[in-house]
Amino acid sequence: DAGVTQSPTHLIKTRGQQVTLRCSPISGHKSVSWYQQVLGQGPQFIFQYYEKEERGRGNFPDRFSARQFPNYSSELNVNALLLGDSALYLCASSLGQGSYNEQFFGPGTRLTVL
Amino acid sequence: GDSVTQMEGPVTLSEEAFLTINCTYTATGYPSLFWYVQYPGEGLQLLLKATKADDKGSNKGFEATYRKETTSFHLEKGSVQVSDSAVYFCALSDGGTSYGKLTFGQGTILTVHP
Repeated sequence: DAGVTQSPTHLIKTRGQQVTLRCSPISGHKSVSWYQQVLGQGPQFIFQYYEKEERGRGNFPDRFSARQFPNYSSELNVNALLLGDSALYLCASSLGQGSYNEQFFGPGTRLTVL
Repeated sequence: GDSVTQMEGPVTLSEEAFLTINCTYTATGYPSLFWYVQYPGEGLQLLLKATKADDKGSNKGFEATYRKETTSFHLEKGSVQVSDSAVYFCALSDGGTSYGKLTFGQGTILTVHP
């Protein structure tokens, strides 16, 4: 079975632009979470979506938004990009939304903001 | 808020050496604890987990015991291999929340030489 997939693999943008990152969860998983991993640090939680609704949000500005589609895939949008948004963006899927559900991570999208 | 602190790295060992990576946490309630591993160019993989005090998680020769009295979850392996070279992250999931937010430590780079 396919794991969590993310696209694109790499992305280069300039300051002020907008970006959309995509994630397809493991088949049967209804929850998708997004994390930001800045180089040399651990991942930081951005959002969790379950059954197409936002269930949790981390300490990120309103420039970050996301949505989940009926097929449970998800998009993360970042507006007005800043240099500090350069990071590896990880998507994780799980069967349910609770903290006891194991999260499976995708390979990530590497975003570089120039 | 919740936090995870890992020993500073990087850690460099010779093959067959004993490995310990320290991890301590701060959390309200009764968190679940995890070790994730990240190989170069890949996403995070769950290595092992423990969901309650005194539980021992184990996988691929790695072990960690959930110590509530010392709020620790140290990772150990008796004999490391070159293939164990990777970045290791300690993480917790707060059982008090209704969603599966993971809080990660900063990661420890492990390099094993032949």
